[in-house]
Amino acid sequence: DAGITQSPRYKITETGRQVTLMCHQTWSHSYMFWYRQDLGHGLRLIYYSAAADITDKGEVPDGYVVSRSKTENFPLTLESATRSQTSVYFCASSGGGLPGYGYTFGSGTRLTVV
Amino acid sequence: AQTVTQSQPEMSVQEAETVTLSCTYDTSESDYYLFWYKQPPSRQMILVIRQEAYKQQNATENRFSVNFQKAAKSFSLKISDSQLGDAAMYFCAFAQTALIFGKGTTLSVSS
Repeated sequence: DAGITQSPRYKITETGRQVTLMCHQTWSHSYMFWYRQDLGHGLRLIYYSAAADITDKGEVPDGYVVSRSKTENFPLTLESATRSQTSVYFCASSGGGLPGYGYTFGSGTRLTVV
Repeated sequence: AQTVTQSQPEMSVQEAETVTLSCTYDTSESDYYLFWYKQPPSRQMILVIRQEAYKQQNATENRFSVNFQKAAKSFSLKISDSQLGDAAMYFCAFAQTALIFGKGTTLSVSS
């Protein structure tokens, strides 16, 4: 089915390990985004990308790395996971490069760092 | 930097009644978009309604409508004829490029 998919849906990892969250969209949307959701904070922007090979920091980028070698994929890597990165992570995409087209979200990845 | 404030962490309403969720935002821009998203326990983010800042007319989608006051930077959501399925977390969001979210309002609906 066309859409935006995130994997895995759940992940438990240990402190200090590297973990990568995957995001794939099938619309060829130019913009893609990563958010984290924590109780009391809503969704906060980690990184976003305007096109392949173009990425920019959001509100809470520390401890995260992104890449976008292909338009359809936007992986998020935690290079050395910390307990404070326990969260629900959402990927989103936006078509046409304009907010008016709206945003579509993946189903989220619940990451637990122990 | 743009900010979005939802001052009501929790709200409750009875079935068939009307409830209004508040949202204010801060920006120096004149061209932007505003959204309300619904997040049920499944955690899926569902678009409820969207408003273009250049449009004076308030957006409406079935039982959902907004009161957009651009000068006051206010964007409230009214839910009419509330249903049990409306129970969820509601997020107000501002966008020029990326969505900037408020902290959310948890809406409970009682029968």
